[in-house]
This record gives sequence, C-alpha cells and structure tokens, in this order.
Amino acid sequence: DGGITQSPKYLFRKEGQNVTLSCEQNLNHDAMYWYRQDPGQGLRLIYYSQIVNDFQKGDIAEGYSVSREKKESFPLTVTSAQKNPTAFYLCASRQGGTGNQPQHFGDGTRLSIL
Amino acid sequence: GENVEQHPSTLSVQEGDSAVIKCTYSDSASNYFPWYKQELGKGPQLIIDIRSNVGEKKDQRIAVTLNKTAKHFSLHITETQPEDSAVYFCAARAAGGTSYGKLTFGQGTILTVHP
Repeated sequence: DGGITQSPKYLFRKEGQNVTLSCEQNLNHDAMYWYRQDPGQGLRLIYYSQIVNDFQKGDIAEGYSVSREKKESFPLTVTSAQKNPTAFYLCASRQGGTGNQPQHFGDGTRLSIL
Repeated sequence: GENVEQHPSTLSVQEGDSAVIKCTYSDSASNYFPWYKQELGKGPQLIIDIRSNVGEKKDQRIAVTLNKTAKHFSLHITETQPEDSAVYFCAARAAGGTSYGKLTFGQGTILTVHP
C-alpha cells in the first residue's frame, strides 16, 4: 500500500536534547516537505526538498535541520536551539514536475517537552 | 511572499445544510488551489483542487469556485453529514522559481455538523 509513514506517533524531548522525526514514502515522489502545526494556526513550512541531496529552508527553519540522502526518506531533526518545539509535525510528498500535483501527507508526529 | 486568509475559523451547521468556507490570497501569480480535510490526530487529506484556468470544479457534494480577479476561492459542501465534521484548510501554490510547488495554507476552519 503506497503512502507516507511518519514515526514515532508521539515523541517527548528533554531540555537540551536533539530529536529526530522520521518520514518515509513509497510513492516514488521527488519532492518532500516538513510542516509544523500549532493549535488555531495553519501549516507552516519548515524545510522542503525538490530532489535527493538538495533542500531549502521554509518559513520557520530556525532550530531545525534535515537531510535528503535517499529519495524515499526525509528526516527532520529538532535541535535544542528550537525553544518552543511542542507541536504537531507533518511530512508531505509530491510528484515532481509542474508543481500543480497535490501534496500527500503522513499522519504526523506529536512532539512534547518533558 | 504569498499570504492566504481563511474564514470563518469555526462553522456550525445542521445535518443536510450547506457549508461555505472562503479564502483570499495575495499573489496574483498563484495558479493552484487545493483544499484539505483534517480529522483529529490525522494528517490532512486532499478533497478537491482547482487550477487557475478553471472557474469551478465539482465532485459529488463538494465544489470549489475561483475568482482570479478578486483573488478569492471558496469551498462549498452541500447536504452536510456528521462525518463531514473536521478541520478544513485551503492553500495556494506560490509562484515559480525556487518556491516551486510550495503551498501557503490558510489558518483552518473547524466545521461541526450537528445530527
């Protein structure tokens, strides 16, 4: 069954700790995205990648890092520099091309501070 | 950059009524407008999208209209059912260049359909 898998579903971070959220897709999509969702707000773009070994900062990249070593994987690291990491994190992917193909989302990871 | 405003933030209707959610965008070069439905604890799911060369699109009980001149687009749900209750997001695709494929989302509308 094709789709996007995010893990873990729930994650807890201690002060000063880095944590990594996993995102894997088997849709053979070129582009992948990370969003942050806070209550009462829309989705805000953290990082995106149009192709393997390339990625760009989104609107709120400070305190986050990513890598894109494989087409199917786009992990997000929430670093200790991110002072307010509690949020719902969503990964998405999209077929490459004209840009008008829809983004497909995983079911998210909820990150909380201990 | 692109800015998308969505209204209302909450919408409550009786089962069988229609629901309308409206969005405005700022970048006249935007040319792709998807709508997503998000259920509790899940990721958003695409329910319908429209491209700027089309004024209206329908899929069963769901329709989207686009007014490029006024830079606004709307989601219409007819004959609402309790299972339509969810958060709905509109989005607009940024113009080309390095922002290729990037979506800017509205703030979301919590739709509640009462039986």
